[in-house]
Amino acid sequence: EAGVTQFPSHSVIEKGQTVTLRCDPISGHDNLYWYRRVMGKEIKFLLHFVKESKQDESGMPNNRFLAERTGGTYSTLKVQPAELEDSGVYFCASSRSTGQGAGTFGSGTRLTVV
Amino acid sequence: DQQVKQNSPSLSVQEGRISILNCDYTNSMFDYFLWYKKYPAEGPTFLISISSIKDKNEDGRFTVFLNKSAKHLSLHIVPSQPGDSAVYFCAASARIQTGANNLFFGTGTRLTVIP
Repeated sequence: EAGVTQFPSHSVIEKGQTVTLRCDPISGHDNLYWYRRVMGKEIKFLLHFVKESKQDESGMPNNRFLAERTGGTYSTLKVQPAELEDSGVYFCASSRSTGQGAGTFGSGTRLTVV
Repeated sequence: DQQVKQNSPSLSVQEGRISILNCDYTNSMFDYFLWYKKYPAEGPTFLISISSIKDKNEDGRFTVFLNKSAKHLSLHIVPSQPGDSAVYFCAASARIQTGANNLFFGTGTRLTVIP
């Protein structure tokens, strides 16, 4: 089966611009997670979807971040407006059921805000 | 406030020897622990897990030990192979007690296995 796909793999944007990251989970996986790793630090949870519903968004840093999962398939994470501290690697993961940790991770999107 | 800590940013080990990666946590609600392995430009890959009702879980060359009283876990790799060279992340969740599925990760330890 195809893995978790994320794109773009890299994005460089200027402070104040908008960026949208996309994640295509493994087909049939109801659970979708977003995580972020800021340079050299820990990987931090952002939010968890079950199908199209936000199960837990306690990790979203502020209201500049908006995640959607219309139709319960792919998900987007929009950052608007981007700030310098938003730079990092954004990982998406999916799993068929809960209780599997974060499931299978994608390769991530490296976001650089300049 | 980091709840999962990996205090060794790097570790070098000779091929064939044992690699021991350590992880400490502060939240006593954590009841499920995982280790992930990450190669450059790839996402983390699940390696092995352990629930708080156990103190050891083994899978081939990989063994995870959990010491709840010390809030400490370790990953042993025996024998170490050059292909094991990667960054290893420790992660924890309180899923059994709270139902939450979010994971708390450490900062990672870069393991280098020298041929």
